[in-house]
Amino acid sequence: IAGITQAPTSQILAAGRRMTLRCTQDMRHNAMYWYRQDLGLGLRLIHYSNTAGTTGKGEVPDGYSVSRANTDDFPLTLASAVPSQTSVYFCASSDSGRNTGELFFGEGSRLTVL
Amino acid sequence: GQNIDQPTEMTATEGAIVQINCTYQTSGFNGLFWYQQHAGEAPTFLSYNVLDGLEEKGRFSSFLSRSKGYSYLLLKELQMKDSASYLCAVKDSNYQLIWGAGTKLIIKP
Repeated sequence: IAGITQAPTSQILAAGRRMTLRCTQDMRHNAMYWYRQDLGLGLRLIHYSNTAGTTGKGEVPDGYSVSRANTDDFPLTLASAVPSQTSVYFCASSDSGRNTGELFFGEGSRLTVL
Repeated sequence: GQNIDQPTEMTATEGAIVQINCTYQTSGFNGLFWYQQHAGEAPTFLSYNVLDGLEEKGRFSSFLSRSKGYSYLLLKELQMKDSASYLCAVKDSNYQLIWGAGTKLIIKP
């Protein structure tokens, strides 16, 4: 059982380039999330999706876009990368039908924008 | 604004007990979570509290006081593998998670 798979694990990117971070889950969770984690700050929500076909903006959505064509996949796209988007990106999913609704995280994608 | 406060770093000795505190100010409350995150790895779920009181799970316990906006995570019989960051998160009235910056716990032999 893979859980949540993210790709790539790490990437160095030139500013201005387009980049898509991939996220796939095999738990049939309805909700999925993209977070960024920066030193000294809590996890910050970029975008989320409560169910396939719907998406919403989180706390820091500018410069990012997402899509949710099906239950399993939730890619995050940086249309034109900037150095401030250097971060570790975590994809997560949850079964919102559960009482706790805890998040299950992917292993993260470390992105460096030069 | 919404805010989660927890100490930046704590040090404890192997075999001892440590308490990591978390205070929160959020718009509404629908549960408090603790996650463990080892360096370079993903966060993993530890505990969930929605009612006041203590929840015990093996060596780890989590306490909640909603009236005080306060929680703590208690780790007993510390092991070297407990060296990690511990993240406190609160689900607000919109069921969105608000995260603290995490407490880095260093265990010394």
